[in-house]
Amino acid sequence: GAVVSQHPSRVICKSGTSVKIECRSLDFQATTMFWYRQFPKQSLMLMATSNEGSKATYEQGVEKDKFLINHASLTLSTLTVTSAHPEDSSFYICSVGLAGFPGELFFGEGSRLTVL
Amino acid sequence: GDSVTQMEGPVTLSEEAFLTINCTYTATGYPSLFWYVQYPGEGLQLLLKATKADDKGSNKGFEATYRKETTSFHLEKGSVQVSDSAVYFCALSDWGSGGSNYKLTFGKGTLLTVNP
Repeated sequence: GAVVSQHPSRVICKSGTSVKIECRSLDFQATTMFWYRQFPKQSLMLMATSNEGSKATYEQGVEKDKFLINHASLTLSTLTVTSAHPEDSSFYICSVGLAGFPGELFFGEGSRLTVL
Repeated sequence: GDSVTQMEGPVTLSEEAFLTINCTYTATGYPSLFWYVQYPGEGLQLLLKATKADDKGSNKGFEATYRKETTSFHLEKGSVQVSDSAVYFCALSDWGSGGSNYKLTFGKGTLLTVNP
């Protein structure tokens, strides 16, 4: 499998500020990482696919200018929530796939964002 | 599009009780099916999977059989333990129809609480 770590695990910010969440692949190099959003009592929704060295691919309905994704290295992807508002409060989870494990994902612990 | 429907929780059982969490799916291609588990304070992790019809996935005493005729993948365990308390997610990866083999569609999750 793969070990994926996110930081911070919890963050509280004021409305209008930007927040960066990091996702690290600790034991292998990930050319692709996936960012999910989880609402209370809701399923996980794929927000975007982060591609190392190129632009992220966003799912329909996700604002790319609001949720900036950077995948500058093979072990790090970042999600920046810009000009955060209370409706952006959610649980954000990153994950990676491994060649040889089709369809399986390895998840980070998640980051809970609360916007006041 | 693809979708996963799983029974709503929460489910509360006594230790050693029998567990069933229902999951049905719709998909246009030939999906692989998964159960993921999220223990309190942790990230999601793969519990078991099945990649074709009639396959049975099993792990940690949990089982689920891929039933194409009923489009179902119900999770079962004969005797639950307190340590099984977690949120369980049914998911599918539909890569046979041209979808990404890493793109998962999740159910909403079922919270299981096992009391001693």
